[in-house]
Amino acid sequence: EPEVTQTPSHQVTQMGQEVILRCVPISNHLYFYWYRQILGQKVEFLVSFYNNEISEKSEIFDDQFSVERPDGSNFTLKIRSTKLEDSAMYFCASSKLAGAEQFFGPGTRLTVL
Amino acid sequence: DQQVKQNSPSLSVQEGRISILNCDYTNSMFDYFLWYKKYPAEGPTFLISISSIKDKNEDGRFTVFLNKSAKHLSLHIVPSQPGDSAVYFCAAWDGTSYGKLTFGQGTILTVHP
Repeated sequence: EPEVTQTPSHQVTQMGQEVILRCVPISNHLYFYWYRQILGQKVEFLVSFYNNEISEKSEIFDDQFSVERPDGSNFTLKIRSTKLEDSAMYFCASSKLAGAEQFFGPGTRLTVL
Repeated sequence: DQQVKQNSPSLSVQEGRISILNCDYTNSMFDYFLWYKKYPAEGPTFLISISSIKDKNEDGRFTVFLNKSAKHLSLHIVPSQPGDSAVYFCAAWDGTSYGKLTFGQGTILTVHP
């Protein structure tokens, strides 16, 4: 069964450093998303991506964040200068249609020291 | 932002009995609702969904009920099994965005053998 994969599973970084989180969505899906979950809090939407451009972003997704689909399979989230409060689980998701069932990856745990 | 609320942080049920997980929402624009299950160190797994034009959707042991006038939905699991023990998230889509899901805080379900 096709699944969304994410690498790395755990990333530790120093405050101010850049990180890139990687995702491989399900191959025939057209919509891609990033969510995050800070420990003990709810899953929060960050950004959606369709047709090679950002279609929607939340207020969390400021200028420090960017997304890219560098080739036909990968989907990346870059945080340019990490802050302590960026520590969270980051989930990538994909879907065939907007609003259809989204399939989530296992997540990347980002720890900013 | 409390547009989707799961007021019960936890629920404990005996194996074989019914589990009922509840979810309330405030945004009347929400058009499509989903339930996800999440095990520790994994991403959310899609369980079942319901469109706002329906009041019930069933899939095996899982049934979701939607009461639009009360802005309330519930997930019934019958019979409950120990493997159902997980965090259950209710999520909603407003039908206008590019698939942005708004999540509740989650309910920890424990099914005792």
